[in-house]
Amino acid sequence: EPEVTQTPSHQVTQMGQEVILRCVPISNHLYFYWYRQILGQKVEFLVSFYNNEISEKSEIFDDQFSVERPDGSNFTLKIRSTKLEDSAMYFCASSPLGAGYEQYFGPGTRLTVT
Amino acid sequence: GESVGLHLPTLSVQEGDNSIINCAYSNSASDYFIWYKQESGKGPQFIIDIRSNMDKRQGQRVTVLLNKTVKHLSLQIAATQPGDSAVYFCAEVYTGGFKTIFGAGTRLFVKA
Repeated sequence: EPEVTQTPSHQVTQMGQEVILRCVPISNHLYFYWYRQILGQKVEFLVSFYNNEISEKSEIFDDQFSVERPDGSNFTLKIRSTKLEDSAMYFCASSPLGAGYEQYFGPGTRLTVT
Repeated sequence: GESVGLHLPTLSVQEGDNSIINCAYSNSASDYFIWYKQESGKGPQFIIDIRSNMDKRQGQRVTVLLNKTVKHLSLQIAATQPGDSAVYFCAEVYTGGFKTIFGAGTRLFVKA
């Protein structure tokens, strides 16, 4: 069964450094998402992406964040200058048909900012 | 503002009993509501969804009820099994904007 994959599973970085979190969505899906989950808290929407552009973003997704689909398979989330409060689990998701339809989540990347 | 929340943070049930997990939402502009299950160390997994023009939808062992009058959503799990132990999130989907807002989550413990 196809699944969303994410790398790395755990990323440790120093405050102020740039990080890139990588995702490979399910191959025939067209809609892509990033979420984050601070330990013990709810899942928070960051951004949705369709047709090579951002469809929707939350207030969390400020100028320090960017997303890219550099080729036909990868979907990346970049944080330009990490802060301590960026420490969280970051989930990528994809959907074949867009908003309102089932999203398939990856296993997540745990980001630790020290 | 947007807000999707839960009445109970934890729920403990006996194996074989039925479970009911509740969710309140505040924004009636969404078109879909979804229940997700999250097991430890994993990403959320879709369970069932319901359109805002429906009040009930059934799946395999699960039923979602939507009461738009009081902005309340519930997930019923029949014959709860140990494998159902997880955190359950309700989520509200804005179809126009591809945005999903998750609730706070309820942890379900199933006692054998």
